Amino acid sequence: ETGVTQTPRHLVMGMTNKKSLKCEQHLGHNAMYWYKQSAKKPLELMFVYSLEERVENNSVPSRFSPECPNSSHLFLHLHTLQPEDSALYLCASSQDPGPAPGELFFGEGSRLTVL
Amino acid sequence: GNSVTQMEGPVTLSEEAFLTINCTYTATGYPSLFWYVQYPGEGLQLLLKATKADDKGSNKGFEATYRKETTSFHLEKGSVQVSDSAVYFCALRSTGGTSYGKLTFGQGTILTVHP
Repeated sequence: ETGVTQTPRHLVMGMTNKKSLKCEQHLGHNAMYWYKQSAKKPLELMFVYSLEERVENNSVPSRFSPECPNSSHLFLHLHTLQPEDSALYLCASSQDPGPAPGELFFGEGSRLTVL
Repeated sequence: GNSVTQMEGPVTLSEEAFLTINCTYTATGYPSLFWYVQYPGEGLQLLLKATKADDKGSNKGFEATYRKETTSFHLEKGSVQVSDSAVYFCALRSTGGTSYGKLTFGQGTILTVHP
């Protein structure tokens, strides 16, 4: 496999469920990101991990809990979500500093629907 | 804070028409500027970039020039194809202060090209 892969591609869950999104990057990058993509809104940066350490948490509700066990894997644990959390969740990675600063490599996203 | 504003979409064109998608930004210092593209069912991928004033980024027939005096980075293509149908995102990266590629995105512009 190459690039950034996300699983599952689609997820439907109730408000009381607990689920997790998984992201894996095969690029040897040192930073990983979670973005939320909602219709007609800019991409919202949720979390950033640099060298496996969380360096940014953009006021994200605690019902979203990230985990970065190593530089290749990133998880987003979900619990007691709300219908307005339905969105496409995108994982990305980058190498910073590196030859292409600011270039993010995205996965295809996990489409989440909260009933 | 940083912000990116893109022209409202959707944009609908006939094949071989000229394309312009406007993008303006607000940022301190000298940010790097990017255009990302998202094809249906896929994640975002970098289309082109410019790192300093008057730089022109180009790729796949698309061009954008970093205009500091007008704080703009408009995307253009002289002759669009059906395969260019996608969502286009303008983004910026601030310089300094961080060791990772945090980007601020615009809301995206949907482009549909008809045969």
